[in-house]
Amino acid sequence: QVQLQESGPGLVKPSETLSLTCTVSGGSIRSYYWSWIRQPPGKGLEWIGYIYYSGSTKYNPSLKSRVTMSVDTSKNQFSLKLSSVTAADTAVYYCARHQPPGDYYHMDVWGKGTTVTVSS
Amino acid sequence: DIVMTQSPDSLAVSLGERATINCKSRQSVLYSSDNKNYLSWYQQKPGQPPKLLIYWASTRESGVPDRFSGSGSGTDFTLTISSLQAEDVAVYYCQQYFSSLLTFGGGTKVEIK
Repeated sequence: QVQLQESGPGLVKPSETLSLTCTVSGGSIRSYYWSWIRQPPGKGLEWIGYIYYSGSTKYNPSLKSRVTMSVDTSKNQFSLKLSSVTAADTAVYYCARHQPPGDYYHMDVWGKGTTVTVSS
Repeated sequence: DIVMTQSPDSLAVSLGERATINCKSRQSVLYSSDNKNYLSWYQQKPGQPPKLLIYWASTRESGVPDRFSGSGSGTDFTLTISSLQAEDVAVYYCQQYFSSLLTFGGGTKVEIK
């Protein structure tokens, strides 16, 4: 079955760029939409944005000026970059797959999440 | 953005009793062309990622116990756990996908009384 694994630095300095990668295994990245979601400590879920395997994207307006997502179909990976981070960006970051293929509806497969702390 | 509001923030229910969680959207998430409500429910246990329970407001994901059910239409939705089990202790979130700008409710924490 499809599995997702987030990877990237667990500690990022303020004002720098957070970079994470989600690796898709057990299935193809093609034909699906893929999202990044984050969860600050003790708080709820915040959708960051999604990317289609073709490279088209949609971002949360609250983060749009700082977010860039990309996809590498040859590696079955997609990535998140969040620039000019502050302590407010400290969170667990999840990647997830949307269903059905070709649409950005419910999310049926999630990664385990990776904790990113912003601190000097 | 479509704002999603859940209530209550938390609830404590005895084992075997019914738990009811509400989710209200600021605008309708019912798409008239297909008569589907673009809403899903997730369960998140401590230290785990969210798990999809329900989509299209009332369709249970494969493998989800039938004690979980979703109902509602338009702007008002409900997730019901018909007979609470110990393993159902979690935070539950609704999420709309009617708009391409996806939004979650604030979550409802379910505990054992």
